[in-house]
Amino acid sequence: QKEVEQDPGPLSVPEGAIVSLNCTYSNSAFQYFMWYRQYSRKGPELLMYTYSSGNKEDGRFTAQVDKSSKYISLFIRDSQPSDSATYLCAMSYAGNNRKLIWGLGTSLAVNP
Amino acid sequence: EADIYQTPRYLVIGTGKKITLECSQTMGHDKMYWYQQDPGMELHLIHYSYGVNSTEKGDLSSESTVSRIRTEHFPLTLESARPSHTSQYLCASSGPRDHTGELFFGEGSRLTVL
Repeated sequence: QKEVEQDPGPLSVPEGAIVSLNCTYSNSAFQYFMWYRQYSRKGPELLMYTYSSGNKEDGRFTAQVDKSSKYISLFIRDSQPSDSATYLCAMSYAGNNRKLIWGLGTSLAVNP
Repeated sequence: EADIYQTPRYLVIGTGKKITLECSQTMGHDKMYWYQQDPGMELHLIHYSYGVNSTEKGDLSSESTVSRIRTEHFPLTLESARPSHTSQYLCASSGPRDHTGELFFGEGSRLTVL
């Protein structure tokens, strides 16, 4: 069993929709939870990170961590065609990038 | 904006050739990384550097080698390329916000070995 599970999609939504992206994990020792966005033919870029449990909001993006369920989510409100990308979740045990564990990434297409 | 650069972006070579993928960053970051990204697979760390003259292999076994003679430069070399080395290679660095999981990635080098 993989430490981090992420449905690769693809996910296709109309412009303006609320998008929910999710990852589950098996190791309760994970403390830092990240969401990266990767456009086609580009490297990933950090979108949001959360330490331990709770919510974090940044503009149209909200990251949620539920450690009791070992489940993390990224919500995108009022989705735009420019949000079309692959979204990767990543986690680390001790805030050390040497030990990042990555999900497969979910491919999202927002249609005008 | 991140300042990390990879060359070449695309490379098609024949089996047995020696190749070097270049990676440079202008942010003064001590930590640098090489990841391999294949379709349908997670990102896998293949090399890691804490700083100058400090490198170690990552979690995914790789026949490539790296060097870190200067802070800003972290090249990856394959002495004899094979079709199994065909992949996307991503270079990254991290700085003071390392504990947040913040990595700055280059745009990648897509290698095809025929």
